[in-house]
Amino acid sequence: AQTVTQSQPEMSVQEAETVTLSCTYDTSESDYYLFWYKQPPSRQMILVIRQEAYKQQNATENRFSVNFQKAAKSFSLKISDSQLGDAAMYFCAYRSWGAQKLVFGQGTRLTINP
Amino acid sequence: SAVISQKPSRDICQRGTSLTIQCQVDSQVTMMFWYRQQPGQSLTLIATANQGSEATYESGFVIDKFPISRPNLTFSTLTVSNMSPEDSSIYLCSAGGGDTGELFFGEGSRLTVL
Repeated sequence: AQTVTQSQPEMSVQEAETVTLSCTYDTSESDYYLFWYKQPPSRQMILVIRQEAYKQQNATENRFSVNFQKAAKSFSLKISDSQLGDAAMYFCAYRSWGAQKLVFGQGTRLTINP
Repeated sequence: SAVISQKPSRDICQRGTSLTIQCQVDSQVTMMFWYRQQPGQSLTLIATANQGSEATYESGFVIDKFPISRPNLTFSTLTVSNMSPEDSSIYLCSAGGGDTGELFFGEGSRLTVL
């Protein structure tokens, strides 16, 4: 079974600075998806960014980018120019290519200091 | 994308009672998923709700405790039966986004069992 590990329970960063959240995963599959979701206090899970494993190019969405290292099974999230609204729990998630369910990591609580 | 509505948003329940959570999707989806998020924890998949057949439960979750209905392609319910304080959690409904690979989530139902 696939597992997802987030080794940083909490992170904090000064507003406008850059922060990187770590995620590693374990799988024997070659095709899969990886995601970062954000969960603010409102509880709503919001997709931040998505990466298909067959794509070598790292995904980017505005201030959010990933460093996808397939051989190392690593999928970190970089947030540039951090804003107060970025404060939330961030979950890394894995999805097999042929399935729809997601496997989540433990989460990282991100605090933005003004 | 899909918009998912859940109700109730929150409830306080007495030990030994049961509560049914409803999930409505604004478009037809093949599979719907029910996750549990215990306080301060990550999301754990309870079961996959399949239209026209019985739900598929993950290890550690049983139908007697978490019966699920899926009468059509846009609606599902999860019942938490014979509740105990350990069932106090957020329960989230989600559904697949097809080719994009992502799951969309409802806002969750926060249950507190006294």
